[in-house]
Amino acid sequence: DGGITQSPKYLFRKEGQNVTLSCEQNLNHDAMYWYRQDPGQGLRLIYYSQIVNDFQKGDIAEGYSVSREKKESFPLTVTSAQKNPTAFYLCASSISWEETQYFGPGTRLLVL
Amino acid sequence: AQTVTQSQPEMSVQEAETVTLSCTYDTSESDYYLFWYKQPPSRQMILVIRQEAYKQQNATENRFSVNFQKAAKSFSLKISDSQLGDAAMYFCAYRSAFGGNDMRFGAGTRLTVKP
Repeated sequence: DGGITQSPKYLFRKEGQNVTLSCEQNLNHDAMYWYRQDPGQGLRLIYYSQIVNDFQKGDIAEGYSVSREKKESFPLTVTSAQKNPTAFYLCASSISWEETQYFGPGTRLLVL
Repeated sequence: AQTVTQSQPEMSVQEAETVTLSCTYDTSESDYYLFWYKQPPSRQMILVIRQEAYKQQNATENRFSVNFQKAAKSFSLKISDSQLGDAAMYFCAYRSAFGGNDMRFGAGTRLTVKP
């Protein structure tokens, strides 16, 4: 089955803690993206990667970090510097940057 | 920067009827892509339809069609023969054709389908 998987489905973070959200795709897509969705709002871009070992900041990158060591994986770390991390996080991928983005099922992050 | 506006926070439709969701956008670019995504209660974003700005013909996918008015910067989604499974949040999105990954989303419209 080809697709995008995100884990965990729910994640709890304590104050001052870094947490990492997983995103994996087996679609052989070059480009991958991380979005944040807050209640009643659309998606906002955190980071994106057009190719392995390269990534760029989106609109709201502060307090987040990413890596792209493998084509199929694009993990997102929410650092302690992100003061309001409670949100729904969506990962997406596309064949190339010009093509349509397809989304994973998302991770809900809550702060304890 | 480009902005996308969905002026209808909520809409409802009777099962088997037709409903139209509105979307307007602001851009100075001549070439771009427009999308409608559906987000059901599972919260996974599902592509509904895509429109290339250089194409005059409106995109259609089964019961879903768009009315793309480039001069008016309007991109509405029409759902025909509405089904209970169509109930979801619908997001309009804009993406430049000139590079980068500047995909902009509207705030969404919540569609309720009444049996």
